[in-house]
Amino acid sequence: QSVLTQPPSASGTPGQRVTISCSGSSSNIGSNTVNWYQQLPGTAPKLLIYSNNQRPSGVPDRFSGSKSGTSASLAISGLQSEDEADYYCAAWDDSLNGQRVFGTGTKVTVL
Amino acid sequence: EVQLVESGGGLVQPGGSLRLSCAASGFTFSSYWMHWVRQAPGKGLVWVSRINSDGSSTNNADSVKGRFTISRDNAKNTLYLQMNSLRAEDTAVYYCARKADDAFDIWGQGTMVTVSS
Repeated sequence: QSVLTQPPSASGTPGQRVTISCSGSSSNIGSNTVNWYQQLPGTAPKLLIYSNNQRPSGVPDRFSGSKSGTSASLAISGLQSEDEADYYCAAWDDSLNGQRVFGTGTKVTVL
Repeated sequence: EVQLVESGGGLVQPGGSLRLSCAASGFTFSSYWMHWVRQAPGKGLVWVSRINSDGSSTNNADSVKGRFTISRDNAKNTLYLQMNSLRAEDTAVYYCARKADDAFDIWGQGTMVTVSS
């Protein structure tokens, strides 16, 4: 059911920069904006990035998003232990009658 | 405080029915489109259903079409998901979420639905 592809895992040491990719198609990322969500263990997802690269108030500027063509990416700079979580990209899909599609998810581990 | 609180989850037999509720507070509920998203144990997020602000338009994922019905009562600030003909593969935590701009900016804490005999 996931039509957006992410790497299953990513890792880094505290202070490092980690990047997560999200690959889609012309009907979703190629023609709509991308969001990113953070899900800490046992909790509900939290909005990290909207409109490709905008942060809601309260989200640290260590988190940044970008989009190019049919792919998007989330970068976490200055990695901290509390960033250990699952991360999901999401977009609307025009070929599915405007349904919402999520990425496969990436588990970020802080070494 | 802006908040969404789900309820109604539980254990149900295959073929059974369940109605989930999502109580909204702290914002003008009737101004927002609302969605349901589910997450099977150990799996990723999957979009389930959406409803527009006045309840006149809905859309469901293909996997639940004809079985699940989303609705809302703006007077009670409550979103619903009526789930019929439940299957084992419907077992998941169900989240309600508010749509603002292009994103789901507020999520509930989730309610667990287990379909098993």
